[in-house]
Amino acid sequence: DQQVKQNSPSLSVQEGRISILNCDYTNSMFDYFLWYKKYPAEGPTFLISISSIKDKNEDGRFTVFLNKSAKHLSLHIVPSQPGDSAVYFCAASGETSYDKVIFGPGTSLSVIP
Amino acid sequence: NAGVTQTPKFRILKIGQSMTLQCAQDMNHNYMYWYRQDPGMGLKLIYYSVGAGITDKGEVPNGYNVSRSTTEDFPLRLELAAPSQTSVYFCASSRGLAGGNEQFFGPGTRLTVL
Repeated sequence: DQQVKQNSPSLSVQEGRISILNCDYTNSMFDYFLWYKKYPAEGPTFLISISSIKDKNEDGRFTVFLNKSAKHLSLHIVPSQPGDSAVYFCAASGETSYDKVIFGPGTSLSVIP
Repeated sequence: NAGVTQTPKFRILKIGQSMTLQCAQDMNHNYMYWYRQDPGMGLKLIYYSVGAGITDKGEVPNGYNVSRSTTEDFPLRLELAAPSQTSVYFCASSRGLAGGNEQFFGPGTRLTVL
């Protein structure tokens, strides 16, 4: 049973427009969320995180929004650039401890020039 | 800093063979992790370590073993390889607990078991 879901396997966006990547979770005990980005043939790299005490966290072109009541978070990329084309993983932790995270299946983003 | 390094990059094994995937980090991180990624799936935690001499099972530990004799190295041992172990394996490290800290990942090892 997937505790972290990313229901869109892929997403295509025009360069300069907004990319919105969605993530849903089922475990209400999760209280820390992270986004990782992965290029082909490379390991994932950390992008941005958010704690459940916040509903928004911003870092440059990247903003993560958290809706705890809906158990939903989203990553906004504005403006999208071709270099943003990658697989984006949502991850969550805090169920019983913070020593491990649960990853979603990922969303492949293509930014079209 | 090299960060997290993994060897080999690719490997093909026959059913029943064994091998060790090497992982090293030079950031003096206490926490290290092994994940596998199957097509269309997220990363699944195999084993992790919170310091030298301390390891624990993740979600999918069956068929694997680990050891952590030094802070820098965290090898993953596959005994009696099976086709179900065909996957991409990632090693990662973090300064603090993974749930609250950035993990640094290696480039991965692509393993095929035939």
